[in-house]
Amino acid sequence: QQQVKQSPQSLIVQKGGIPIINCAYENTAFDYFPWYQQFPGKGPALLIAIRPDVSEKKEGRFTISFNKSAKQFSLHIMDSQPGDSATYFCAASIGNNAGNMLTFGGGTRLMVKP
Amino acid sequence: DVKVTQSSRYLVKRTGEKVFLECVQDMDHENMFWYRQDPGLGLRLIYFSYDVKMKEKGDIPEGYSVSREKKERFSLILESASTNQTSMYLCASRTTGRGHYQPQHFGDGTRLSIL
Repeated sequence: QQQVKQSPQSLIVQKGGIPIINCAYENTAFDYFPWYQQFPGKGPALLIAIRPDVSEKKEGRFTISFNKSAKQFSLHIMDSQPGDSATYFCAASIGNNAGNMLTFGGGTRLMVKP
Repeated sequence: DVKVTQSSRYLVKRTGEKVFLECVQDMDHENMFWYRQDPGLGLRLIYFSYDVKMKEKGDIPEGYSVSREKKERFSLILESASTNQTSMYLCASRTTGRGHYQPQHFGDGTRLSIL
């Protein structure tokens, strides 16, 4: 049973487009929502994260939008580039649990065409 | 820069073999994790360790065990490998300093095939 559902599984956009990846969660105790980016042959790396006390967070071309009432959050990539082609994972955790274990979504493989 | 090193990039083993996957981190992190990554299922936690000699089961511990005798090293053991354990295995580490929201740092993975 996946506690964090991610969609779509794959996404193709043209350079300059704005891919949007969506995640939904069930557990209202989650209070930390990171996104990880994974390039082929590499391990995932933290891209950006948000806590539910804000509705939006921007870091460069990457933006997380958070809707607490709907229990949904999404990643937007502005002015996408071929170098953004990677697999993206959303995740959620409960901050006060020991080890801060992350529950991951199923991943989205993004391809940005030149 | 944090470095998490997994001993093998690719590994091929036979059904029934005992398999060891090794992971070493160089940042004195307290927490270490083992995940398996399968298409469409994301990353699923197998085991994690709070600190030396401490371990907790994750979501899918069946068929696996772990060992953490030294702080920098966390080993995943497949007691009797089966074909359904063919997967990409990822190790991660994390510090507990400066609050609960520290990122996990991942190795580049071991792609394990069980024949």
